[in-house]
Amino acid sequence: SQQGEEDPQALSIQEGENATMNCSYKTSINNLQWYRQNSGRGLVHLILIRSNEREKHSGRLRVTLDTSKKSSSLLITASRAADTASYFCGNRDDKIIFGKGTRLHILP
Amino acid sequence: DTGVSQNPRHKITKRGQNVTFRCDPISEHNRLYWYRQTLGQGPEFLTYFQNEAQLEKSRLLSDRFSAERPKGSFSTLEIQRTEQGDSAMYLCASSLDSWEQYFGPGTRLTVT
Repeated sequence: SQQGEEDPQALSIQEGENATMNCSYKTSINNLQWYRQNSGRGLVHLILIRSNEREKHSGRLRVTLDTSKKSSSLLITASRAADTASYFCGNRDDKIIFGKGTRLHILP
Repeated sequence: DTGVSQNPRHKITKRGQNVTFRCDPISEHNRLYWYRQTLGQGPEFLTYFQNEAQLEKSRLLSDRFSAERPKGSFSTLEIQRTEQGDSAMYLCASSLDSWEQYFGPGTRLTVT
């Protein structure tokens, strides 16, 4: 069974706009990770946030974590065409349990 | 390129045949993972190794599936008597202990 559930399932925005996607999970986590997958490069690790952290930044990425609501959000600022991909959240406890992903499409 | 490599990248086989995939992890990584991904879904965990020991197997890994990592380096995943439902992308990842997992490009299996 999948642990994370990303929302929305699909998102289309204009280049330059910000994109926000959410992830909800079911059980307690030690950390939560976000991955990006596109046809050219496979699954790429974006950012990891630990259960005792509330917010983390990496370049144009901002991740928040609310353990009381069992949810996380990924914000991509100033989106680019290259950000077109599927984004997955997953908890990490030796193995990663992934959600179904959000398919992000950046419109020119 | 010193990333995770997988071979073959694509495999088409007839139902009932056996197939074997290979994964070469990043050389200093002691952990190796196998996942399976079908269209529109996230990757699903199958099994993982720490060095040569297989530490966990998912319920998804039926008796027809077997994975090995004989010398703690590369790994093979074999599927016996393939079924159409086995058609998927098989992903391999490696990590140093519990740190970030690096994924390979995957092997796409099509069972006809």
